[in-house]
Amino acid sequence: EPEVTQTPSHQVTQMGQEVILRCVPISNHLYFYWYRQILGQKVEFLVSFYNNEISEKSEIFDDQFSVERPDGSNFTLKIRSTKLEDSAMYFCASSAGKIGNEQFFGPGTRLTVL
Amino acid sequence: AQKITQTQPGMFVQEKEAVTLDCTYDTSDPSYGLFWYKQPSSGEMIFLIYQGSYDQQNATEGRYSLNFQKARKSANLVISASQLGDSAMYFCAMREGSGGSNYKLTFGKGTLLTVNP
Repeated sequence: EPEVTQTPSHQVTQMGQEVILRCVPISNHLYFYWYRQILGQKVEFLVSFYNNEISEKSEIFDDQFSVERPDGSNFTLKIRSTKLEDSAMYFCASSAGKIGNEQFFGPGTRLTVL
Repeated sequence: AQKITQTQPGMFVQEKEAVTLDCTYDTSDPSYGLFWYKQPSSGEMIFLIYQGSYDQQNATEGRYSLNFQKARKSANLVISASQLGDSAMYFCAMREGSGGSNYKLTFGKGTLLTVNP
């Protein structure tokens, strides 16, 4: 069964460093998302991406964040200068986009900023 | 105002019994979808069930059913015959709108279900 994959599973970084979180969505999906879950809290929407551009972003997704689909398979989230409060689980998700189609989530990348 | 409200931070159920996890939502959009996801302690998000706002019947998927009461704006998840493996965090989520370029989900705070042997 096709699945969304994410690498790395865990990333530890120093405050101020840049990190790139990588995702491979399901191959025939058209809509891509990043969500964030701070430990013990709810899942929060960061950004959605369709047709090679951002379709919506939340207020969390400030200038420190960027997304890219550098080739036909990868979908990346870059945090330019990490802060302590960026420590969270980051989920990538993809969907076919049809009404009712669920979003398939990847296993997540746990980011720890020291 | 919260778009998705899950009022039960934690629930306990005996193995083999049924349990209902509550979810209420708030939207003015006539077209929307409601989802339930399970998050075990390992952290992944597992899709369980979907209900569309125009669906006439309540959704069912195996032991999961969704008690959809549109007038009350509630979409409660019912798990029948609970198993120990059902112990997890459960999130209710909503997608507003019927199309376009964005199907983002808004999540509730979750309910931690513990199944006792």
